[in-house]
Amino acid sequence: DAMVIQNPRYQVTQFGKPVTLSCSQTLNHNVMYWYQQKSSQAPKLLFHYYDKDFNNEADTPDNFQSRRPNTSFCFLDIRSPGLGDAAMYLCATSRDGDSYEQYFGPGTRLTVT
Amino acid sequence: ILNVEQSPQSLHVQEGDSTNFTCSFPSSNFYALHWYRWETAKSPEALFVMTLNGDEKKKGRISATLNTKEGYSYLYIKGSQPEDSATYLCARNTGGFKTIFGAGTRLFVKA
Repeated sequence: DAMVIQNPRYQVTQFGKPVTLSCSQTLNHNVMYWYQQKSSQAPKLLFHYYDKDFNNEADTPDNFQSRRPNTSFCFLDIRSPGLGDAAMYLCATSRDGDSYEQYFGPGTRLTVT
Repeated sequence: ILNVEQSPQSLHVQEGDSTNFTCSFPSSNFYALHWYRWETAKSPEALFVMTLNGDEKKKGRISATLNTKEGYSYLYIKGSQPEDSATYLCARNTGGFKTIFGAGTRLFVKA
């Protein structure tokens, strides 16, 4: 049974057109993360939520926002996608930080035309 | 070393070969080292988490070691099988929620 679900798996959007990626979890974990992975590069943490507390990485562009309306769901909003935002976006959850393992969704591959 | 570095970037082996890859990371402010396996079109899944210098973990034919003083971890696969083909990611945690990933080693096992 899927524990971290991401929809859609593939998303095509136009340059400048807002897009939302979604993630849901059945693990009841406190922490949810969003990572961006560009081709052959390391996944890069954009932000995370601990419960309702939002934590933005210092180098995450303002163009990226996130919402967590409840424990199960978390959304990544890209307000004005540029060509450079084309990437794989991974959602992950964990019970806590430090040495707790993360559980990942399969990712959403975003294409910007 | 400023970031998490993995080598090699990719590796092609024959079925039955044993293989290993390296993850290098800054030795300062170390808290935990994670290994994940990511098969194509699937979700990355956790293999190991190690926190202590000298830790060794094993799961079936896969094992990992950790040296926090010199800042490296090795992942070993004994008798590689085609189903081991995947990208293997390591990630360093310095405490808290920030985990820094390497770019991965992509393993191809030919039958």
